[in-house]
Amino acid sequence: GEDVEQSLFLSVREGDSSVINCTYTDSSSTYLYWYKQEPGAGLQLLTYIFSNMDMKQDQRLTVLLNKKDKHLSLRIADTQTGDSAIYFCAEKSDSWGKFQFGAGTQVVVTP
Amino acid sequence: EPEVTQTPSHQVTQMGQEVILRCVPISNHLYFYWYRQILGQKVEFLVSFYNNEISEKSEIFDDQFSVERPDGSNFTLKIRSTKLEDSAMYFCASSGLAELTSYNEQFFGPGTRLTVL
Repeated sequence: GEDVEQSLFLSVREGDSSVINCTYTDSSSTYLYWYKQEPGAGLQLLTYIFSNMDMKQDQRLTVLLNKKDKHLSLRIADTQTGDSAIYFCAEKSDSWGKFQFGAGTQVVVTP
Repeated sequence: EPEVTQTPSHQVTQMGQEVILRCVPISNHLYFYWYRQILGQKVEFLVSFYNNEISEKSEIFDDQFSVERPDGSNFTLKIRSTKLEDSAMYFCASSGLAELTSYNEQFFGPGTRLTVL
């Protein structure tokens, strides 16, 4: 069945870049997403990429997609303390379908 | 900004008891979902609901689970006889047609933490 894997923890110093990695198994994944969860809050969509794209940049966020290796990454430039959160990678193969999520990467930003 | 809300934020129950988790989706949304996350594990899909019926459900969503949209605003998840392994964070999500035809976003609530003792 489909599976999404990501590392569980990342520690980064304020001002450095963070890179969160994700791998997925479903070759029919059409839509890939990064969601952010802050304490006590819901999952907030950060950015998304369609499978026919290699890269997407949105301000401090850069998403890279290697479809051949089924590898997705999220780079956060100039990481701030407000970026401390859990980041979820997710994929979807069709418009109406369910999300397949990873377990989430806890990002801790230290001063 | 419109948001999905969930109540209660934390529910503690005894094994075997029934629980109802409540969600108020964004008002003009048509598609509703429940997901759960057992501590330290992945967010798992439970069920999707559209036009007053279940459109898809996972293997987790067995006969102990049911969903309902009792009025125009609430979307509920009922667990009839809770088990210890039902302890998890339960997330409700909703989508409108515009979101589904563009970038397929689902808007998530903050979750209800269910603890079964």
